[in-house]
Amino acid sequence: DAGITQSPRHKVTETGTPVTLRCHQTENHRYMYWYRQDPGHGLRLIHYSYGVKDTDKGEVSDGYSVSRSKTEDFLLTLESATSSQTSVYFCAISQGLAGGRNTQYFGPGTRLTVL
Amino acid sequence: EDKVVQSPLSLVVHEGDTVTLNCSYEVTNFRSLLWYKQEKKAPTFLFMLTSSGIEKKSGRLSSILDKKELFSILNITATQTGDSAVYLCAVFHPSGAGGTSYGKLTFGQGTILTVHP
Repeated sequence: DAGITQSPRHKVTETGTPVTLRCHQTENHRYMYWYRQDPGHGLRLIHYSYGVKDTDKGEVSDGYSVSRSKTEDFLLTLESATSSQTSVYFCAISQGLAGGRNTQYFGPGTRLTVL
Repeated sequence: EDKVVQSPLSLVVHEGDTVTLNCSYEVTNFRSLLWYKQEKKAPTFLFMLTSSGIEKKSGRLSSILDKKELFSILNITATQTGDSAVYLCAVFHPSGAGGTSYGKLTFGQGTILTVHP
């Protein structure tokens, strides 16, 4: 399995509080991604990073921000959590965009509940 | 709009049966199609098929990509209870604005496969 860890694995928080989820990789892959998975919607991309300090928005980025200060760490922040952000969050990594390097490997996920 | 559609959404079979899972897609800048298996945790990678339409096999699992008709199938023969999972189809199509490019994966909704003893 790819060396990807996520923390915390489970979190319950209240509406309006800030939350930060961490993704850590030991594969030295360039690309990192944050997805959310919800029933009926499948996996949807929130933000991605194509290098240190290089990030951009995915399809459901409203209410989320990210940062990547080191190759191995990609942080997802909910500035003010809302109940609609209750979900399972997955981090993924890939080496590149060409050929087999574009395969994305997923971390174990973080289950977030916003009350 | 980029779209990946899987069918059926759920399937219940008995051990030993053969199943076929379907995935159709409409995306811009298609590069490859990937199949993942998800068992109540992270999706795990099964196959990647490129636009060359080659067949992939791994034990009892096989998959074919039809680049003309824009679909893929995943076959599982001699199913076992351990095959019970959600199977996800995803299409890789580089995308991005402002001069950047990233590996965008658009996922289907998944097929829930349940294999009874």
